Amino acid sequence: DSGVTQTPKHLITATGQRVTLRCSPRSGDLSVYWYQQSLDQGLQFLIQYYNGEERAKGNILERFSAQQFPDLHSELNLSSLELGDSALYFCASSGRVGSPLHFGNGTRLTVT
Amino acid sequence: AQSVTQLGSHVSVSEGALVLLRCNYSSSVPPYLFWYVQYPNQGLQLLLKYTSAATLVKGINGFEAEFKKSETSFHLTKPSAHMSDAAEYFCAVSQGASSEGGKLIFGQGTELSVKP
Repeated sequence: DSGVTQTPKHLITATGQRVTLRCSPRSGDLSVYWYQQSLDQGLQFLIQYYNGEERAKGNILERFSAQQFPDLHSELNLSSLELGDSALYFCASSGRVGSPLHFGNGTRLTVT
Repeated sequence: AQSVTQLGSHVSVSEGALVLLRCNYSSSVPPYLFWYVQYPNQGLQLLLKYTSAATLVKGINGFEAEFKKSETSFHLTKPSAHMSDAAEYFCAVSQGASSEGGKLIFGQGTELSVKP
């Protein structure tokens, strides 16, 4: 058990809809990272938050947004969903810079 | 910019044989390097990490990796494969710089199959 909790585990929704994925980091970790895993793109870094502030941005679409709350949990919001957004979305957390990332079990999003 | 290249998207070995998964990295500063394993329907689990303390790094489940700066490589090995090693393996690099936030850049992954 990595200590990182992601909910829900599975999500099925229709095109054009909006969903919210939730992540609770390991106790004590201030950084939260979001990754998207798909067969054609592999593991793509989306965005990172550190203690409530955005720290780094990757290949995140404008339709996607995220935030980290004062209790350090994070949410990834995906809107105007398209079929191509179907993927596994992972959250990870870490302590100090350079330390390993600890991953949750992911949320599998299916857009129909 | 950082990048990671994993040579071979699929590797198949017999049980008891040597496992060698190849990883080459590109980084403008001394990197932090990691290997992760992903079992079906699970998240990524850390196998081992290199953070400049020693070039030969030992990880969990009998895996180890050697950092070779001259070859910009960080190959993963295990002397004797077990059926339970069948999974997907990811090499990742981080610059560890505060401006980058410590994010990891992953390779495309190598799927390891172990034949009885």
